Amino acid sequence: SQTIHQWPATLVQPVGSPLSLECTVEGTSNPNLYWYRQAAGRGLQLLFYSVGIGQISSEVPQNLSASRPQDRQFILSSKKLLLSDSGFYLCAWSGLAGGLTNEQFFGPGTRLTVL
Amino acid sequence: DAKTTQPNSMESNEEEPVHLPCNHSTISGTDYIHWYRQLPSQGPEYVIHGLTSNVNNRMASLAIAEDRKSSTLILHRATLRDAAVYYCILDMYSGGGADGLTFGKGTHLIIQP
Repeated sequence: SQTIHQWPATLVQPVGSPLSLECTVEGTSNPNLYWYRQAAGRGLQLLFYSVGIGQISSEVPQNLSASRPQDRQFILSSKKLLLSDSGFYLCAWSGLAGGLTNEQFFGPGTRLTVL
Repeated sequence: DAKTTQPNSMESNEEEPVHLPCNHSTISGTDYIHWYRQLPSQGPEYVIHGLTSNVNNRMASLAIAEDRKSSTLILHRATLRDAAVYYCILDMYSGGGADGLTFGKGTHLIIQP
């Protein structure tokens, strides 16, 4: 079966510090991968998606970046965090996993607080 | 992606059916209707999706209007564990597509014991 992992689960960082969030998927190959952010009291916003190694598409301009160094690894980074970067970061994957649907599967999330 | 309109919140009693409405008057012919839900402090999970015909699965049923401008997610017998934010999403791909999903604010479903 497929599983998706995110770490860390929670993170408190000072303004101006760097960020690295990691997401890995097991049990599938060549998945589409996504990073979403949910700010407090708001809906989910798609940040990045990737259809393959080294292929990253950005949905919104910001001081965040994403990388996909391996097929099932997706990393969200920042060189200098802003207060507005606080939120709940969710990684998701999709791909034909032998089923009839091709829904997105979300990880447990990382709650980031920037102080 | 076309826009959807959902009530901000709904309240229901445990063990009763729940009908969650969604309006999507600008839906295109290739848009699928997806429903996801998000339990507190968790990532969203897929509930159901459909194109034209009504759909049933182990979690819920999806009733789609004949003109496809609205749909209703039906939870046949709500439990306390169904308390969540329910998102109605349109996407041209049956699986949400490679370019991700566009989430609105959803409906906050409250279940009373």
